[in-house]
Amino acid sequence: EAGVVQSPRYKIIEKKQPVAFWCNPISGHNTLYWYLQNLGQGPELLIRYENEEAVDDSQLPKDRFSAERLKGVDSTLKIQPAELGDSAVYLCASSLNQRSEAFFGQGTRLTVV
Amino acid sequence: AQKITQTQPGMFVQEKEAVTLDCTYDTSDQSYGLFWYKQPSSGEMIFLIYQGSYDEQNATEGRYSLNFQKARKSANLVISASQLGDSAMYFCAMREVPYGNNRLAFGKGNQVVVIP
Repeated sequence: EAGVVQSPRYKIIEKKQPVAFWCNPISGHNTLYWYLQNLGQGPELLIRYENEEAVDDSQLPKDRFSAERLKGVDSTLKIQPAELGDSAVYLCASSLNQRSEAFFGQGTRLTVV
Repeated sequence: AQKITQTQPGMFVQEKEAVTLDCTYDTSDQSYGLFWYKQPSSGEMIFLIYQGSYDEQNATEGRYSLNFQKARKSANLVISASQLGDSAMYFCAMREVPYGNNRLAFGKGNQVVVIP
């Protein structure tokens, strides 16, 4: 069974440019998460989806970050415009439901220069 | 407030020896779940083991076991017979259930290096 797939693996952009990350969760997983992981830290939740609905986006900086999960499957996370402080690893995870363990993708390492 | 505390510095472990990674947590809920994840240099977070707050027995998964001490609010991970492939960051996480926002709170991680 395929795991959570994220792309791209690495992205380098100049500040003020837009960037988008894509996530394909494990088939059949209703819950999808986007996490931010700064260097030397544990992941922090940005947004959680139950099917198509964003049920927890309280940690998402909505002035520059947006996310969508069309048809309750794939998801994209966008930053516009990117700032230097956005340099981090962006992890996508999915789980069967909100109570089961989450499976993570390999992440997208973003560098803003 | 920090919900998960992992304070051990980086650890070097001899191959085939056991290693214990400390994790303490803070919650006022009676129902919660505790997880350990492994993150190798490739970046992927790999689920290792789960312990529910009502589980009376310590969870075990192959070479991984969780030493759950509820009164002390600790959930230490024990890796037996370390292998070179165990070199990674290890994160303890807690899910509080039930509550409005179901999210995993992660600690800062423990670095483990297994040496031959």
